[in-house]
Amino acid sequence: QSALTQPASVSGSPGQPITISCTGTSSDVGGYNYVSWYQQHPGKAPKLMIYDVNNRPSGVSDRFSGSKSGNTASLTISGLQAEDEADYYCSSYTSSSTYVFGFGTKVTVL
Amino acid sequence: QVQLVQSGAEVKKPGASVKVSCKTSGYTFTGYYVHWVRQAPGQGLEWMGWINPNGGVTNYARKFQGRVTMTSDTFISTAYMELNRLTSDDTAVYYCARGTPNYGSTAGSFDIWGQGTMVTVS
Repeated sequence: QSALTQPASVSGSPGQPITISCTGTSSDVGGYNYVSWYQQHPGKAPKLMIYDVNNRPSGVSDRFSGSKSGNTASLTISGLQAEDEADYYCSSYTSSSTYVFGFGTKVTVL
Repeated sequence: QVQLVQSGAEVKKPGASVKVSCKTSGYTFTGYYVHWVRQAPGQGLEWMGWINPNGGVTNYARKFQGRVTMTSDTFISTAYMELNRLTSDDTAVYYCARGTPNYGSTAGSFDIWGQGTMVTVS
């Protein structure tokens, strides 16, 4: 199972919106509404930000939103803040009843 | 609150085995899948497999089949991941994470993560 494709880096100024894409295949992203997104700060464990494509866990800022179209899922951060600077990973359930992660995207707040 | 607390860092020789523990609290251990994910230094996340603590059924990523064993001890609400025939490529931080409730499909996300266990093979 190949990793999902994400841009290596995305940057934006405080207050601006950014979007991170996550491209897979019809056997993973395109085939199931089980895409999730994780935020990881250096030296820390990942944190769930979005589950089942577009749902936010309790306690996650509503500045974070998710969507999906075909084989590509997206994470949007509206109103970028300094604390959003981190690595972000998408993940998808697959047709093999396994999971696959994306390569990861480093978000930089300018 | 829900917590997953992992065992401490390990240093192993090539060819050896390592067993990492993940002690859970704050929820019904037998009610949720437990997944294992690893992250090599400077690299991304890699899913290794899951275990259903209610019965012990497992599902491993193809890459690790034959080399990994995931088990659980329901009496102490602890999951374990053992990896054999270690090489330098196995140097990574290993995470356990809580998955979906096991009354349904394994499909979903990982909502609570352990703090990670650094395994160094050298």
